[in-house]
Amino acid sequence: QKEVEQDPGPLSVPEGAIVSLNCTYSNSAFQYFMWYRQYSRKGPELLMYTYSSGNKEDGRFTAQVDKSSKYISLFIRDSQPSDSATYLCAMSASSGTYKYIFGTGTRLKVLA
Amino acid sequence: KAGVTQTPRYLIKTRGQQVTLSCSPISGHRSVSWYQQTPGQGLQFLFEYFSETQRNKGNFPGRFSGRQFSNSRSEMNVSTLELGDSALYLCASSPTPQNIQYFGAGTRLSVL
Repeated sequence: QKEVEQDPGPLSVPEGAIVSLNCTYSNSAFQYFMWYRQYSRKGPELLMYTYSSGNKEDGRFTAQVDKSSKYISLFIRDSQPSDSATYLCAMSASSGTYKYIFGTGTRLKVLA
Repeated sequence: KAGVTQTPRYLIKTRGQQVTLSCSPISGHRSVSWYQQTPGQGLQFLFEYFSETQRNKGNFPGRFSGRQFSNSRSEMNVSTLELGDSALYLCASSPTPQNIQYFGAGTRLSVL
């Protein structure tokens, strides 16, 4: 079983839809949770990060962490064609053996 | 503040050759990590350097090596290139190993 699981998609939604992207993980030591956006042939760009449990909002983006369920989500409101990209979740643990683990990424396509 | 700079952006090599990729981290960042990204495998961790010392290493053969200089710039080297080494090689920097990672645009290596 992988430490981080992420549905690869592709996920196609109409413009203006609310998008929900998710990752599950197995290592309870993870404390930092990140979301990256990667456009085709570019490097990943950090979108948001949260520490421990809870929600964080930034414009149209909301990140949620549920440590009890080992489940993280990224919500995109009022999705735009420019949001079409691959979204990677990542998580890290700072205690014990340090790890920075990525999901495989979910490909999102927002249709105009 | 300048981001992570990777050079060159594109490389074409033939099997058996060797290649050196360069990464300049964000100013003040002392930790540099390298990843290989392919469509089938996603982001695979190669190694991480901090203060000129390799802290972590992924599961790659010894043909893949790296180093970090006193100014935190890093290079990775791949010797005896194989067709399967064709990938996007990404460098990420962070202030310290436990911090959030920021990526460069990557070097796209094609091995013919």
